[in-house]
Amino acid sequence: DVVMTQTPPSLSVAIGQSVSISCKSSQSLVYSDGKTYLHWLLQSPGQSPKLLIYQVSNLGSGVPDRFSGTGSQKDFTLKISRVEAEDLGVYYCVQATHFPLTFGSGTKLEIK
Amino acid sequence: EVQVLESGGGLVQPGNSLKLSCATSGFTFSTAWMYWYRQFPEKRLEWVARIKAKSNNYATDYTESVKGRFTISRDDSKSSIYLQMNNLKEEDTAIYYCAYYFDYWGQGVMVTVSS
Repeated sequence: DVVMTQTPPSLSVAIGQSVSISCKSSQSLVYSDGKTYLHWLLQSPGQSPKLLIYQVSNLGSGVPDRFSGTGSQKDFTLKISRVEAEDLGVYYCVQATHFPLTFGSGTKLEIK
Repeated sequence: EVQVLESGGGLVQPGNSLKLSCATSGFTFSTAWMYWYRQFPEKRLEWVARIKAKSNNYATDYTESVKGRFTISRDDSKSSIYLQMNNLKEEDTAIYYCAYYFDYWGQGVMVTVSS
C-alpha cells in the first residue's frame, strides 16, 4: 500500500498568518492517464470531511482561494494564506492513484 | 442540493452482523462510483469499499481487512448504497461514511463492536 506521510501533526497559528502542510507518498502518484490523484480534505470539528483541493491544485466547490495546493510525483504541499478562524480542524491528504486508496494521518490546525 | 444520509449504525457484539444504508439525492447517482470510508476512534481515515456504476458492471473493491466479511451493493432506483457487514470484529469500531468519491460525504454513522 502507498504510505502517505503528513507533517507536521499539528500547527498553532494566529489569524492572518500563512501555513503550509506537507504530504509525501511512498510511490509516485502519477496515474497512467497522466493525472495525479492527490487530494486534500478538511474535517472541521464535529463535521465529516470536506473536499478542499483535488488533483493537487484544483480548488473544490466553494473553497476560498486562500487555499492552494502544489507538488508533483511524491511531494505535495497545502498552503493556507491569511488563516481565518473557520480554517481550524484536521487536514488530510489522500491518494487515489493506487489501490487501496490511502490517507495521511492528518494535521490538526489550531488558532492561537 | 446534494444530500448523503447514512443510517443503520449501532452497537453489536463481535461476530454479529449489521447493514448500513446510504440514501442520496442531488446528483446523477446512476453513473456515480460510490464509496464507504471509516474513521477509527483515533481519527485515522480508511477507505473501506467501492462500487462502480452499471456501465462498469457494478464492480466492487474492498480494503483487505474486510474482504469476505463486508459486501457493498447499490440500488439505482433508490439512489442508495448499502454495506452489509458480517462477522464484525472489535477493530471494525468506527464512524462509517458514505461518499460520492471525495466530493460529497454523509454525516457518518457510528458502529461499535463490543461484548
